[in-house]
Amino acid sequence: DAKTTQPNSMESNEEEPVHLPCNHSTISGTDYIHWYRQLPSQGPEYVIHGLTSNVNNRMASLAIAEDRKSSTLILHRATLRDAAVYYCILRDVAYQLIWGAGTKLIIKP
Amino acid sequence: KAGVTQTPRYLIKTRGQQVTLSCSPISGHRSVSWYQQTPGQGLQFLFEYFSETQRNKGNFPGRFSGRQFSNSRSEMNVSTLELGDSALYLCASSFTLSRGQSYEQYFGPGTRLTVT
Repeated sequence: DAKTTQPNSMESNEEEPVHLPCNHSTISGTDYIHWYRQLPSQGPEYVIHGLTSNVNNRMASLAIAEDRKSSTLILHRATLRDAAVYYCILRDVAYQLIWGAGTKLIIKP
Repeated sequence: KAGVTQTPRYLIKTRGQQVTLSCSPISGHRSVSWYQQTPGQGLQFLFEYFSETQRNKGNFPGRFSGRQFSNSRSEMNVSTLELGDSALYLCASSFTLSRGQSYEQYFGPGTRLTVT
């Protein structure tokens, strides 16, 4: 199974952009890249997903490397409410999400 | 529209007992997946149901089972509970999972199971 590698934790200042990296060197051509986040005491929340092209939505942007072996989740202006564990996940056509340990994002006021 | 609901939210059971957890997906969603989350193992996939059929299964023993009803509501059952089954059990629903597509999943708040 294709797996992802993320830093254990990252810190950022409030109202600054945050770039969360993810490596997925064994990704296959049909694997979608998903990002979810989990706030304390809540279930995970969908953030964004993509296959090959960069994607934008109201929450974040997803930049996917040309070889698809890595991607970066971009929060354009972090707030305290963005403090969470962010998961970079691959989803294959067998519909299974493969979760890693995630990155704990700490936002400093 | 209403989100994914899970009942009960908290549960305490003793070793050897069995437990049934319930999940009601978002209206119109036909795919329901179950996950186990523990501090040591993180989020682990249990199984996924679509149109009352188990379509995918993770690496869990047969004590863990599930089913989906015609209204897409799903239940999971754990028999002969062990201390290691203490975890947060999460349910997630999706609109559909057509081949070549990849729809986002919406998670419920989870059921916190404690086995003593």
